[in-house]
Amino acid sequence: QKEVEQNSGPLSVPEGAIASLNCTYSDRGSQSFFWYRQYSGKSPELIMSIYSNGDKEDGRFTAQLNKASQYVSLLIRDSQPSDSATYLCAVNMGVISGAGSYQLTFGKGTKLSVIP
Amino acid sequence: EAGVAQSPRYKIIEKRQSVAFWCNPISGHATLYWYQQILGQGPKLLIQFQNNGVVDDSQLPKDRFSAERLKGVDSTLKIQPAKLEDSAVYLCASSLDSTPPGLASYNEQFFGPGTRLTVL
Repeated sequence: QKEVEQNSGPLSVPEGAIASLNCTYSDRGSQSFFWYRQYSGKSPELIMSIYSNGDKEDGRFTAQLNKASQYVSLLIRDSQPSDSATYLCAVNMGVISGAGSYQLTFGKGTKLSVIP
Repeated sequence: EAGVAQSPRYKIIEKRQSVAFWCNPISGHATLYWYQQILGQGPKLLIQFQNNGVVDDSQLPKDRFSAERLKGVDSTLKIQPAKLEDSAVYLCASSLDSTPPGLASYNEQFFGPGTRLTVL
């Protein structure tokens, strides 16, 4: 069974600190990796995507991918109270044969709380 | 660019009643997904369409759930009859996709606001 694992938290960090969110996945053939932010009562919002090993930076967010360890992480620098949300890791575990189309498997999410 | 549209935003029904949800994806997006998200869980895929064809409905409870995307644009998800355990948020998402797989960014999925269903 293809799985994506996240620590459910809550993860509490003080304002201005670095928040580190981690995710592991079971399928070694996974192709694409995504982080979604979900505020309470809202739908998931795509904030980062990463496709190759290494780091990808976008503003205060850095996604890190290590395919050998089957591990992807999200770092949030200078955390703000507005970053308080649940962060969902989603993994594309390959192309559906014959369709050229992809599916995502989501983790349960990590709840982040940034304390002012 | 307009996002994914869904309606209604909220629905309360009694068990054994039927309910339908509507989704209009981002213009030009070939692939449409319906997810179920239970409180405290990540979204779980119910059905995936590419244009007007079903790509995967392996996790759709077909005895009570049905979905269609007749003209390859908007889609309807129906539950009949509803059970208490169907209480959840139903999310629609869409992606550009390409066949054969092209730019990786084509696979990014964007979600609508969701429909919160409460079954009493």
